[in-house]
Amino acid sequence: ILNVEQSPQSLHVQEGDSTNFTCSFPSSNFYALHWYRWETAKSPEALFVMTLNGDEKKKGRISATLNTKEGYSYLYIKGSQPEDSATYLCAPYTGNQFYFGTGTSLTVIP
Amino acid sequence: NAGVTQTPKFQVLKTGQSMTLQCAQDMNHEYMSWYRQDPGMGLRLIHYSVGAGITDQGEVPNGYNVSRSTTEDFPLRLLSAAPSQTSVYFCATFNPGTGELFFGEGSRLTVL
Repeated sequence: ILNVEQSPQSLHVQEGDSTNFTCSFPSSNFYALHWYRWETAKSPEALFVMTLNGDEKKKGRISATLNTKEGYSYLYIKGSQPEDSATYLCAPYTGNQFYFGTGTSLTVIP
Repeated sequence: NAGVTQTPKFQVLKTGQSMTLQCAQDMNHEYMSWYRQDPGMGLRLIHYSVGAGITDQGEVPNGYNVSRSTTEDFPLRLLSAAPSQTSVYFCATFNPGTGELFFGEGSRLTVL
């Protein structure tokens, strides 16, 4: 079992603010790091799959970086919009299992 | 394409009853899995399968059975429901090409 920590647990920001979250995980026994976005009453949807140290992925206003040596990943949202309100989950993948963190709940206030 | 379909979406059971949560996929993914979501905890893996005829335990397998007779279906069986199994259950498939999990809509189970 991997101990995956996400911080902060929840976040309230004003529309237009930029924000970032952290995912920490054991740096050994690691194959890939996944980020998922989970809107209320829906299913989690994949945002990014990252495998290489120093990897950086971007999708619109959302980007993520990965440091496998020290075991962390950052998710950034630039210019938050109300539709960004969701829970963001990270999940290291060991090759046959995913280990999900408890997520960061983001609320963007119009 | 329906993707990943779970049934039922809601179910209330009494302690000791048995039931099966159904999961069907039309994406031809070999890997299928079941998670449970509880307040304050991350999604926890119950069982997974890497192909028809192959299943393995995840983090929290006790009280649950699975089988995989076809690529499309991966049912989760509760043999004797307990209040501790009150949870939201998600079935997910894995696309090795993109490395992404695809989730069903979830099944909310309450055990009284």
